[in-house]
Amino acid sequence: RKEVEQDPGPFNVPEGATVAFNCTYSNSASQSFFWYRQDCRKEPKLLMSVYSSGNEDGRFTAQLNRASQYISLLIRDSKLSDSATYLCVVNVNYGQNFVFGPGTRLSVLP
Amino acid sequence: GAGVSQSPSNKVTEKGKDVELRCDPISGHTALYWYRQSLGQGLEFLIYFQGNSAPDKSGLPSDRFSAERTGGSVSTLTIQRTQQEDSAVYLCASSPTGTGLYEQYFGPGTRLTVT
Repeated sequence: RKEVEQDPGPFNVPEGATVAFNCTYSNSASQSFFWYRQDCRKEPKLLMSVYSSGNEDGRFTAQLNRASQYISLLIRDSKLSDSATYLCVVNVNYGQNFVFGPGTRLSVLP
Repeated sequence: GAGVSQSPSNKVTEKGKDVELRCDPISGHTALYWYRQSLGQGLEFLIYFQGNSAPDKSGLPSDRFSAERTGGSVSTLTIQRTQQEDSAVYLCASSPTGTGLYEQYFGPGTRLTVT
């Protein structure tokens, strides 16, 4: 089993739709969780950290379920500019510290 | 403040040549990471530096790849005798600490093309 797995995608949704991405991780000792977005031919950029109580930033909501070891990202009222690949990132308590998921590509269509 | 910078932004080299890629992390960040990303693929971890500790080289694909970090700041990734399969974007990231509790900040990457 891979350390971090994500919905395979791609997701093609119309503008204004609500879309949810899921991510599962295997290391129960993980303490930090992040969602990054990566635009085509650009570097990954932090979208939001994921806190135990869940957190919201405008149209974006992140949830963490430690018992089931999964993280979710909800995007409401999708915009064309939300089109990107969304990367789930989990910290591990060894070596490189961060493990990236393979990413889920989102295309928001007009 | 200044983010992570990388140079060159693009590099085209002939098969068999050596290349050096440079990364300037955010000032004060103790952790530095190198990744590579082939077209349409995910991030592949290469090497990790934390302070003065020995680097984690577990991701380096072959002994043609090496990296150093001088004075706990600037890092150089060297690829010797480049091969066509080395063509990729090489991304550098830094983080305030080596605990993995804080996010990484990525540089814009170096696009390497081996002809």
